[in-house]
Amino acid sequence: GAVVSQHPSWVICKSGTSVKIECRSLDFQATTMFWYRQFPKQSLMLMATSNEGSKATYEQGVEKDKFLINHASLTLSTLTVTSAHPEDSSFYICSARDTRQGLGEQYFGPGTRLTVT
Amino acid sequence: QKEVEQNSGPLSVPEGAIASLNCTYSDRGSQSFFWYRQYSGKSPELIMFIYSNGDKEDGRFTAQLNKASQYVSLLIRDSQPSDSATYLCAVTRGSTLGRLYFGRGTQLTVWP
Repeated sequence: GAVVSQHPSWVICKSGTSVKIECRSLDFQATTMFWYRQFPKQSLMLMATSNEGSKATYEQGVEKDKFLINHASLTLSTLTVTSAHPEDSSFYICSARDTRQGLGEQYFGPGTRLTVT
Repeated sequence: QKEVEQNSGPLSVPEGAIASLNCTYSDRGSQSFFWYRQYSGKSPELIMFIYSNGDKEDGRFTAQLNKASQYVSLLIRDSQPSDSATYLCAVTRGSTLGRLYFGRGTQLTVWP
């Protein structure tokens, strides 16, 4: 299967600061990547769809000025949490769509655990 | 009606048994069907995908798709304690560029 990496795997930051999370497709090019958030014992929640070379599409209720997404290349998408607050503490997971074969299976990165103090 | 529904669980089976996980979807335009496994504290891992009606087997896993009944299932044969996880059913629609619509997941426990 395809490999997706995320960096960092965990991060602790102070309230009011910004944090950038990187998502890379290592062995394939991904025109579309997705960003999810998951709180403990809850379902995955799609935050936004990231398309290479164009603006991200955000889900209803997700603040695009707070969660900045940049899909600058076919292998890299970044999520920046701006002016982080403790309620932003969560598990952030990206996925990338591999369209080399089939109808485009999605593979998830290992996730980034964010703690805002 | 929710887009994707899974049997609520939790499901508990003894080691060596067959675990059966079920999923129904509401949109007849759904194109692709996936099963992900998620261990506690980890991200989802793709274990099976199926696009056509019928069965698809991969090792101990069999995915079954019935588009007429809008039903997809996952069978795990010879279940092992290491199979204990939450299993997520997901579907895509042709109109939404690969976006996954997830069920809430079924928690499976395989006891020795």
